[in-house]
Amino acid sequence: GENVEQHPSTLSVQEGDSAVIKCTYSDSASNYFPWYKQELGKRPQLIIDIRSNVGEKKDQRIAVTLNKTAKHFSLHITETQPEDSAVYFCAASPGTGTASKLTFGTGTRLQVTL
Amino acid sequence: KAGVTQTPRYLIKTRGQQVTLSCSPISGHRSVSWYQQTPGQGLQFLFEYFSETQRNKGNFPGRFSGRQFSNSRSEMNVSTLELGDSALYLCASSLSGGTGELFFGEGSRLTVL
Repeated sequence: GENVEQHPSTLSVQEGDSAVIKCTYSDSASNYFPWYKQELGKRPQLIIDIRSNVGEKKDQRIAVTLNKTAKHFSLHITETQPEDSAVYFCAASPGTGTASKLTFGTGTRLQVTL
Repeated sequence: KAGVTQTPRYLIKTRGQQVTLSCSPISGHRSVSWYQQTPGQGLQFLFEYFSETQRNKGNFPGRFSGRQFSNSRSEMNVSTLELGDSALYLCASSLSGGTGELFFGEGSRLTVL
């Protein structure tokens, strides 16, 4: 089955700096790659997603890039703010089925310091 | 529009018991999926239901089961509880589950003693 690896496990940046989180996946058939943000004690929430026919997608300060050949995708957060502090999860969905069957990475705890 | 609602939010059980967790999806959403979240394993897919049918299943033992009702509400059941079943169980709904965003509930935190 699919295996998603995520790095780093923790990341500390100063407010205003950029943060980059990287994920690799194993199943070349995967075609949907969402990113979820989970604040302490709260539910995971989708922040951005990308599909295999797109190489890059941007939404304000957040961007995701996808390299299907290398089977990796990354989350980029620019101009980080304290409210960006949370755990971020990448995920991949199998190409044969539903986007509900997600394989998640183990998460990156992002700490934005003042 | 009300979000995904899960009950109970917290529960404590002992080994060997069984537990039933409930999930009410966002109105109009027909797909409900369940995930187990633990510090060591992260989020792991349990199963997905769509129109009362299990459409996808993860790699969990048969002690984990679920169902979906005609109103899209879903329940999951864990029988013969083990200590390792202690986790946050998250339910997520989506319109169809095909390509749509997953909306997660707050979760049911299960502690097995």
